[in-house]
Amino acid sequence: EAGVAQSPRYKIIEKRQSVAFWCNPISGHATLYWYQQILGQGPKLLIQFQNNGVVDDSQLPKDRFSAERLKGVDSTLKIQPAKLEDSAVYLCASSSKFQFLGQSNTGELFFGEGSRLTVL
Amino acid sequence: GENVEQHPSTLSVQEGDSAVIKCTYSDSASNYFPWYKQELGKRPQLIIDIRSNVGEKKDQRIAVTLNKTAKHFSLHITETQPEDSAVYFCAASLLSFGAGTTVTVRA
Repeated sequence: EAGVAQSPRYKIIEKRQSVAFWCNPISGHATLYWYQQILGQGPKLLIQFQNNGVVDDSQLPKDRFSAERLKGVDSTLKIQPAKLEDSAVYLCASSSKFQFLGQSNTGELFFGEGSRLTVL
Repeated sequence: GENVEQHPSTLSVQEGDSAVIKCTYSDSASNYFPWYKQELGKRPQLIIDIRSNVGEKKDQRIAVTLNKTAKHFSLHITETQPEDSAVYFCAASLLSFGAGTTVTVRA
């Protein structure tokens, strides 16, 4: 089975520029997550989708970050304008586990290789 | 929201010895606790998980214990091997990860 695909693998931009990351989850996985992993830290959840709906975006800095999963398959994460502190690896993950309302998140996450962003 | 603390941040062990990593969480409603292993430059991969209705789970050289009353859980690796060298992350549900423990196994 093909894994989670992400692109680009690396991106260098200057502050105040914009960037977009793309993720294609494992076929059939309903749930998709975007995480930000700053060097030396654990992954921090930015947004969770179930099919094409947002389940949790409470930690997404909405003044500069946006994400969509219009057709419930692949997803795009955008940053505009970028700040120095956005330098990180952006990890996309998918899960076959369907989260029912009121249930906590469980199940194995399958991560992509990540997109490393450097903001100068 | 959930807050997960992980200790130690680095751990160096002699090959063949055991390694223990501990995590605490804040939300008593959390009921799923996975552990992920991330080798240098690679993606995190699930190595073991435990649900709140179980106190301990083993898989070959890896075990996880959970104390719901104290809100902490631990990863135990026995008979460590060089290929166990990696960064290990604990998590409470899939929403909050610990900061990671860098494990180095000395040959």
